[in-house]
Amino acid sequence: KAGVTQTPRYLIKTRGQQVTLSCSPISGHRSVSWYQQTPGQGLQFLFEYFSETQRNKGNFPGRFSGRQFSNSRSEMNVSTLELGDSALYLCASSPLGIGYEQYFGPGTRLTVT
Amino acid sequence: TQLLEQSPQFLSIQEGENLTVYCNSSSVFSSLQWYRQEPGEGPVLLVTVVTGGEVKKLKRLTFQFGDARKDSSLHITAAQPGDTGLYLCAGDPDNNNDMRFGAGTRLTVKP
Repeated sequence: KAGVTQTPRYLIKTRGQQVTLSCSPISGHRSVSWYQQTPGQGLQFLFEYFSETQRNKGNFPGRFSGRQFSNSRSEMNVSTLELGDSALYLCASSPLGIGYEQYFGPGTRLTVT
Repeated sequence: TQLLEQSPQFLSIQEGENLTVYCNSSSVFSSLQWYRQEPGEGPVLLVTVVTGGEVKKLKRLTFQFGDARKDSSLHITAAQPGDTGLYLCAGDPDNNNDMRFGAGTRLTVKP
């Protein structure tokens, strides 16, 4: 089976811009979750989508949003970028949900200047 | 304060040595997961422990889940340079689809 893929792998944006990241889960997995990883805060949960519905959301501002399509592919959007949004954004897929085994993609490294 | 406290934060050892890393919490978890992450990559799932007191072995890695399901440990026997990486524990404390990760233990195994 192909693993989780994320595009793009690297991205440089300017403060105030917006960005969209994409994640394709493992075939058959209906759960896609997003995480932000920074040296200071570690891995932090952003949100989870299951069968196109957002099931839970972490403690992030409304500038962070996402969606999931009928083929389980997911996108994450960050609007009005801030310097502090620079991070590795990881996507993970699971057949059952985030309380179960998750399989991570390689991440998108976002740098905001 | 992290819900899952991992220790030590950093560990540098020589090839062939044994080591143990810990994952502790004041909360009860229905299960805990251990991941290893290498630079530039996403975390890779190593194991899930579910039952209190459970011990799982994965080659030279031994994982234990505390009896009260609040803590877990990872023991590596005869560490090799390929074991180098960031070891993360993770769990959903209230089964409400809110996965929490520890800050991780960064292990370096020198040849």
